[in-house]
Amino acid sequence: KAGVTQTPRYLIKTRGQQVTLSCSPISGHRSVSWYQQTPGQGLQFLFEYFSETQRNKGNFPGRFSGRQFSNSRSEMNVSTLELGDSALYLCASSLQADYEQYFGPGTRLTVT
Amino acid sequence: KNEVEQSPQNLTAQEGEFITINCSYSVGISALHWLQQHPGGGIVSLFMLSSGKKKHGRLIATINIQEKHSSLHITASHPRDSAVYICAVSGNTPLVFGKGTRLSVIA
Repeated sequence: KAGVTQTPRYLIKTRGQQVTLSCSPISGHRSVSWYQQTPGQGLQFLFEYFSETQRNKGNFPGRFSGRQFSNSRSEMNVSTLELGDSALYLCASSLQADYEQYFGPGTRLTVT
Repeated sequence: KNEVEQSPQNLTAQEGEFITINCSYSVGISALHWLQQHPGGGIVSLFMLSSGKKKHGRLIATINIQEKHSSLHITASHPRDSAVYICAVSGNTPLVFGKGTRLSVIA
C-alpha cells in the first residue's frame, strides 16, 4: 500500500497570501489529522477529520481551516499568512479515529 | 506545566549501549504513542500502547497507568537509531505531544 502523501513538499509564500496544502491518506483510512511543527512550539494538533466531518480542532486562529472529501483526501488552508506560520505541516491518517496514525512526509511552508 | 514531559531532552550514547527515554503525563489518557522523527521531518509511529509492554525488534515500550509514566528502551543501540523520539498521549483530546528527546548514537 502506498503511504500518506502530501503536496506540495515545499512552499514559499509571502505575508498576506493564502495557501492550500493537500493530503492523501493510505487507501482505506477514513481519519485524517493535521499537525503543525515549529522549533519553538514543537508538534501541535490542528484538525481531525473522520468521514468528511471535523471531529476536533486545535487552538489555532480562524485563518486555519480544513476539509475532507468523500474519498478521504484532505486539504488545509491558511489565509492571510503571517511570518509565524512558517512551519512543517504534517498530515497523518488512520483506519478509524483513535487508531494508530501513519504520518506523511510533511509540507515545509516558509512565509517571507 | 506541560501535559507531557520527556526526559532527557538530549542524549548521546556509544554504539551498543542500552538507552532509556522517559515520558510522564498529567492527564487521563486512552493511549500513549512513541514516535520517531529523523532529520528531514518524516515521522514514524513506533508504538501505541494503553497498558503493559510492547516489543518490536530492539525497541521496547512500557507504560504504568497508575504512575502516568512510560519508558522507551533501545537495546544494542546503533548510529541509525539517531533521531528525535517523541512521546504523545491521546484520550478525550487529540494527540498532545512532548517536546521530544534528541538521541545521537556514536559509532
